[in-house]
Amino acid sequence: TQLLEQSPQFLSIQEGENLTVYCNSSSVFSSLQWYRQEPGEGPVLLVTVVTGGEVKKLKRLTFQFGDARKDSSLHITAAQPGDTGLYLCAGVNFNKFYFGSGTKLNVKP
Amino acid sequence: ETGVTQTPRHLVMGMTNKKSLKCEQHLGHNAMYWYKQSAKKPLELMFVYSLEERVENNSVPSRFSPECPNSSHLFLHLHTLQPEDSALYLCASSQATTGSEQFFGPGTRLTVL
Repeated sequence: TQLLEQSPQFLSIQEGENLTVYCNSSSVFSSLQWYRQEPGEGPVLLVTVVTGGEVKKLKRLTFQFGDARKDSSLHITAAQPGDTGLYLCAGVNFNKFYFGSGTKLNVKP
Repeated sequence: ETGVTQTPRHLVMGMTNKKSLKCEQHLGHNAMYWYKQSAKKPLELMFVYSLEERVENNSVPSRFSPECPNSSHLFLHLHTLQPEDSALYLCASSQATTGSEQFFGPGTRLTVL
């Protein structure tokens, strides 16, 4: 089993604050995906990172893949209530997906 | 309808009941998946179908029985479930099983009494 640990498990912040969530593993992945899941919905893909050290930006969200392709981070700048949800990372190896347990983010207005 | 749809959205059943979950994808994808999502636990992959053939079965109890009659439809037949089977059951599809993006349905919230 290739485990992915996400931290923190829960995060409650005020609108306008910055935050970083982490996804760590002792295993190397060929790629890593981040999903956001809103209440009552299924996860929706935000980004896929493939190359070690890769940084991708999606508006106020910045994703980084670790140099060794074992870990990743998601940084949100000036969080908004619309960012509220469960953030899941998924490592991909040999066409198999390994999901973390998620970080539940609540952004208060 | 677009994307991936699941019915019912909520289901309450007793341990002796038999019920089925339905998933339909309107994306022309070749692969479909069943996942179980429990509180504070990672998404658990249950079954994978590629071109209507089961390609993966992750040691799931036999009280869960999948069926894929065609590439657009996926069912999960349930019988004699246990209370610990209560969870959100998510269906997903992808173009292929080669690590490509998965598109998830909204899930069925199952409660076993």
